[in-house]
Amino acid sequence: DTAVSQTPKYLVTQMGNDKSIKCEQNLGHDTMYWYKQDSKKFLKIMFSYNNKELIINETVPNRFSPKSPDKAHLNLHINSLELGDSAVYFCASSQWEVFPYEQYFGPGTRLTVT
Amino acid sequence: RKEVEQDPGPFNVPEGATVAFNCTYSNSASQSFFWYRQDCRKEPKLLMSVYSSGNEDGRFTAQLNRASQYISLLIRDSKLSDSATYLCVVNMVRGATNKLIFGTGTLLAVQP
Repeated sequence: DTAVSQTPKYLVTQMGNDKSIKCEQNLGHDTMYWYKQDSKKFLKIMFSYNNKELIINETVPNRFSPKSPDKAHLNLHINSLELGDSAVYFCASSQWEVFPYEQYFGPGTRLTVT
Repeated sequence: RKEVEQDPGPFNVPEGATVAFNCTYSNSASQSFFWYRQDCRKEPKLLMSVYSSGNEDGRFTAQLNRASQYISLLIRDSKLSDSATYLCVVNMVRGATNKLIFGTGTLLAVQP
């Protein structure tokens, strides 16, 4: 059974388009995250939601809007896509108050903006 | 200074070798520490959590030195399947935020 799943796995689109990436976890976790891994392979957090509430919002352009309909789902909508948005986007989840706060990652969505 | 620093490698080692990776972190308020493994074009996967007492899982041993803000990973008897990027990860909890900070990773290539 897949613990953290993301769709789509690959996304190729043109500049200026709007796209969404979906994430679901069946681990019963209450916290979910979006990470971006750029071409240099550096992985950086974008957002975190705990029980559907936004907890972390790093300095991400407001073209990126996360939405959490329930604690098992965290979607990422991106407006007006730019070339620099090309990257791999990973969703992750964890249980908030359980030390050592391990996070489990989805398989990633490889976004290419042309 | 980066929050988590690692030697990017690559480390090219023969099968059966012992290899050690090191990592330093800058924030003394960091609360938990991990090594993740990332295969090419795959997601990061938790390899092991790291505790001050040191912990071992088969061929893998991790150590944490809080005073020096230093984390290590030792892999004994390297296998071809150990080839991957090893990410040093530090978790910081401040109030309501719980954030993983990743190092840039160390690439390991185990040669036959």
